[in-house]
Amino acid sequence: DTAVSQTPKYLVTQMGNDKSIKCEQNLGHDTMYWYKQDSKKFLKIMFSYNNKELIINETVPNRFSPKSPDKAHLNLHINSLELGDSAVYFCASSAYTGSTEAFFGQGTRLTVV
Amino acid sequence: QQQVKQSPQSLIVQKGGISIINCAYENTAFDYFPWYQQFPGKGPALLIAIRPDVSEKKEGRFTISFNKSAKQFSLHIMDSQPGDSATYFCAAMRGNEKLTFGTGTRLTIIP
Repeated sequence: DTAVSQTPKYLVTQMGNDKSIKCEQNLGHDTMYWYKQDSKKFLKIMFSYNNKELIINETVPNRFSPKSPDKAHLNLHINSLELGDSAVYFCASSAYTGSTEAFFGQGTRLTVV
Repeated sequence: QQQVKQSPQSLIVQKGGISIINCAYENTAFDYFPWYQQFPGKGPALLIAIRPDVSEKKEGRFTISFNKSAKQFSLHIMDSQPGDSATYFCAAMRGNEKLTFGTGTRLTIIP
């Protein structure tokens, strides 16, 4: 049973396109996150949602728009993709905001060409 | 600004040796310090964590040493095994705020 699942695992697309990454968690957690991991493995939080409400937005360009239809899902839509958006994007969840353990999905490797 | 500094960037240790990864933080309000382990193609997973009221926590071959006055903490892996080869991230958290990750250490255990 996959706790945090995200699709697709790989995404290759051209500059200027719009793409979405989906994330679902079956842990019953209230809080979900999107992280970006760059080529140097640096992990940076992008967004945090608690019960469908935006809690953290780490000055991410507004081309990135998260959407949480319910507390088990947090999707990431990216408009007008740029070369610099190439990275691995991780979805994660935790029981509640401030919970000490975050559970990560397997990541989506986005390559913009 | 990097609130959690991690070193080294990469580390090669012989099988059976001790792997040591160090982290330093700036914000004295941090009150939770976890270590995450990430295997290639996988997401990070919590390995071990400590709060600042203790100086050491051990779980199997993994030990966190914590020095509050120096604002430093480290991960020690005893009897390192090839299966320990992964990227390790330290992190810090304050209250119910976000996790702040270090820059990661790529650990390779050689036979």
